[in-house]
Amino acid sequence: DGGITQSPKYLFRKEGQNVTLSCEQNLNHDAMYWYRQDPGQGLRLIYYSQIVNDFQKGDIAEGYSVSREKKESFPLTVTSAQKNPTAFYLCASSIRSSYNEQFFGPGTRLTVL
Amino acid sequence: GIQVEQSPPDLILQEGANSTLRCNFSDSVNNLQWFHQNPWGQLINLFYIPSGTKQNGRLSATTVATERYSLLYISSSQTTDSGVYFCAVEGGSGNTGKLIFGQGTTLQVKP
Repeated sequence: DGGITQSPKYLFRKEGQNVTLSCEQNLNHDAMYWYRQDPGQGLRLIYYSQIVNDFQKGDIAEGYSVSREKKESFPLTVTSAQKNPTAFYLCASSIRSSYNEQFFGPGTRLTVL
Repeated sequence: GIQVEQSPPDLILQEGANSTLRCNFSDSVNNLQWFHQNPWGQLINLFYIPSGTKQNGRLSATTVATERYSLLYISSSQTTDSGVYFCAVEGGSGNTGKLIFGQGTTLQVKP
């Protein structure tokens, strides 16, 4: 089955800890994205990658880091520097960046205790 | 940057009714998508529609790029249509693929 998977579905973290959210796609898409959603809000872009071994900051990159070592994988690390990490995180991909339809994974809900 | 405004913010319908959701955007766009977010948070792709008109079953959408708006029509609504509907646009130069989301329209369909 082609698609985008994210894990875990729910994640609890203590303050001061780094956590890594997984995003994998088997759609052979070049571009991948990480968005954050806060309650009652739309999504905002954290990081994006147009091709393997390359990524760029989005609008709210502070306190986050990413890597893109493989085409199918784009993990997001939420560091202790992120002041308000509790949110819903969604990963997306598209064939190429720009002018292309984006498809989303099921999301990870992160709660900081 | 581009601003995206959706209206109405909330909508309550009786099952079987029709509705129109609107998305206004402040600049020319390369891409416009409509999504339905289900109660579990999953974003379901409804339409990829930077211009023109498309139909898919009871749903249809129209984007008038020159006037900077898009409309999503839901006919004969069902309780399963409940959820949040988002419009998202990609605009400007740079070819980043970055989507700018509106605040969403929360739809509740009552049986």
